[in-house]
Amino acid sequence: GAGVSQSPRYKVAKRGQDVALRCDPISGHVSLFWYQQALGQGPEFLTYFQNEAQLDKSGLPSDRFFAERPEGSVSTLKIQRTQQEDSAVYLCASSLAPRGDTEAFFGQGTRLTVV
Amino acid sequence: AQTVTQSQPEMSVQEAETVTLSCTYDTSESDYYLFWYKQPPSRQMILVIRQEAYKQQNATENRFSVNFQKAAKSFSLKISDSQLGDAAMYFCAYRSGHRDDKIIFGKGTRLHILP
Repeated sequence: GAGVSQSPRYKVAKRGQDVALRCDPISGHVSLFWYQQALGQGPEFLTYFQNEAQLDKSGLPSDRFFAERPEGSVSTLKIQRTQQEDSAVYLCASSLAPRGDTEAFFGQGTRLTVV
Repeated sequence: AQTVTQSQPEMSVQEAETVTLSCTYDTSESDYYLFWYKQPPSRQMILVIRQEAYKQQNATENRFSVNFQKAAKSFSLKISDSQLGDAAMYFCAYRSGHRDDKIIFGKGTRLHILP
């Protein structure tokens, strides 16, 4: 596709349920980022992949959060045993090269609501 | 650690007028990039303008320009001839130039355009 695609756009989960959020980056993009954006706040970094390697996961808030990118393309963010504080928009971004000067392109995000 | 601060949670401007959004940042690095992103209700994060720290000249993109004061670590965004479509959340962001590092966002400024 032409841009970064995320699915689903909306997800409602019952507390305690596991969820999986998908990100399809722009084809050929090496770098992939996940961010968490609470309502009315700026995006907070969760984790970063360079191809299939997860180079930085310092932003993952707990061990209930897990991300993977097994073939260096599609990425999945999994949240186990969801809690109400996990409610947020989850944004994915990709960039062509692992350099700070390359533009990052964002998807439209997945809005997760935990009830 | 790098930080980005936006001190204006909300701003309003009359259509066709000029508005300036403020941003300050903190870093010990010499090579970095600064960005302004626009996030409309669709949640798509759109890059508005980018500034390389090594460039003294302020970046300009049509109606959007920045005032980059490196010594003061200030990076404000000026929107001229404001249009209704400019209404959105605006995020100031920082990225290291030394490595493919995460983008660090401020908390955002919500811009209202008054017809």
